[in-house]
Amino acid sequence: SAVISQKPSRDICQRGTSLTIQCQVDSQVTMMFWYRQQPGQSLTLIATANQGSEATYESGFVIDKFPISRPNLTFSTLTVSNMSPEDSSIYLCSTARRAGASYEQYFGPGTRLTVT
Amino acid sequence: DAKTTQPNSMESNEEEPVHLPCNHSTISGTDYIHWYRQLPSQGPEYVIHGLTSNVNNRMASLAIAEDRKSSTLILHRATLRDAAVYYCILRGEAGSYQLTFGKGTKLSVIP
Repeated sequence: SAVISQKPSRDICQRGTSLTIQCQVDSQVTMMFWYRQQPGQSLTLIATANQGSEATYESGFVIDKFPISRPNLTFSTLTVSNMSPEDSSIYLCSTARRAGASYEQYFGPGTRLTVT
Repeated sequence: DAKTTQPNSMESNEEEPVHLPCNHSTISGTDYIHWYRQLPSQGPEYVIHGLTSNVNNRMASLAIAEDRKSSTLILHRATLRDAAVYYCILRGEAGSYQLTFGKGTKLSVIP
């Protein structure tokens, strides 16, 4: 398994500001992902954080709004830029590990962001 | 990834078995069936996965229909701690590594 920690666990931010969320995995992993979970909704993938290259963003998410860093194989950051109340969500970091012929995915506890 | 269909919600009495259904009629031959659950205020956690044969682990059992167009997650004795949203997800072996989440089934356990 993989143990994932995130900082901060929650924050309340003013609109127009930015917040950087940190994700730490307890061992080296190839794949790291960032998800968003809006209130009462399911999880939506934001991007795949690639080590040594730019992140790969899903449709509807752009680098200017959600810049991602991946400096090594155990750490990543997600920044939510120029925040608005619509960015109020839980942001989750995730990784995947080989399990037989498929993969198991592991998630951090999430960062609960409220934008006022 | 192929689509799955699950009931929005289900209820179970504590200490009774729970059968959570999932339909995936467009599943392809290489799609694995994965189940994850999300306890309140936590990130999702892996439950079980399978391809064709039924699977058992310490958390649950996965029963897969012979035509693979549906599957059932079985919790043998529901506890209050099993109250969560359960997601049935198809993952192609040759597809992307990340998971695509649907709405899942919210399971309530009644003491």
